[in-house]
Amino acid sequence: SAVISQKPSRDICQRGTSLTIQCQVDSQVTMMFWYRQQPGQSLTLIATANQGSEATYESGFVIDKFPISRPNLTFSTLTVSNMSPEDSSIYLCSVEVSGGSTSGTYNEQFFGPGTRLTVL
Amino acid sequence: KNQVEQSPQSLIILEGKNCTLQCNYTVSPFSNLRWYKQDTGRGPVSLTIMTFSENTKSNGRYTATLDADTKQSSLHITASQLSDSASYICVVRAPLSGTYKYIFGTGTRLKVLA
Repeated sequence: SAVISQKPSRDICQRGTSLTIQCQVDSQVTMMFWYRQQPGQSLTLIATANQGSEATYESGFVIDKFPISRPNLTFSTLTVSNMSPEDSSIYLCSVEVSGGSTSGTYNEQFFGPGTRLTVL
Repeated sequence: KNQVEQSPQSLIILEGKNCTLQCNYTVSPFSNLRWYKQDTGRGPVSLTIMTFSENTKSNGRYTATLDADTKQSSLHITASQLSDSASYICVVRAPLSGTYKYIFGTGTRLKVLA
């Protein structure tokens, strides 16, 4: 398993400013992801945070808007830049670890508690 | 159209009652299917994970079923409790172009009343 913490847990920001969200995992993991969950919606993948290289962004998300750092195997940051009210959302950090049962080996995904961002 | 559809969108039941949530998917092939519980203001927590060869898996009062032929999964909650009030999300992990991706359903919002 993996225990994930995020900072801050919530924030209220002004339009045009930037916010950096931190994600800390209690063990070394290869795969870390950042998701956005808008009110009443399911999760949308923003990017995969790669350790030692540039993040891999999903369609519709760009590095200038959502720069990501991944300095080591237990930590990552996501910055929401030049914020607008449309960026109001919950931002979730996630990791994937290998697991298994009698049925076989699989990859299990764990999520952080999320950062609730409100942009005024 | 979303590749993972869940129904109902929302559900209200009385404490102690059973309920079943549905997940229909069009993703093929897939590696595994998961059910998550997400409490309000929290991150999702895994309830069950099933590979395509598994038909059923239980986790306490939660039982998930999978029919890979009809591409349907269900999550059955037995003897519901107030703490079961949450959103339940069905997620399919599927191979894609040498890697993989997680495809999330839109969730079912369950409310359990005393």
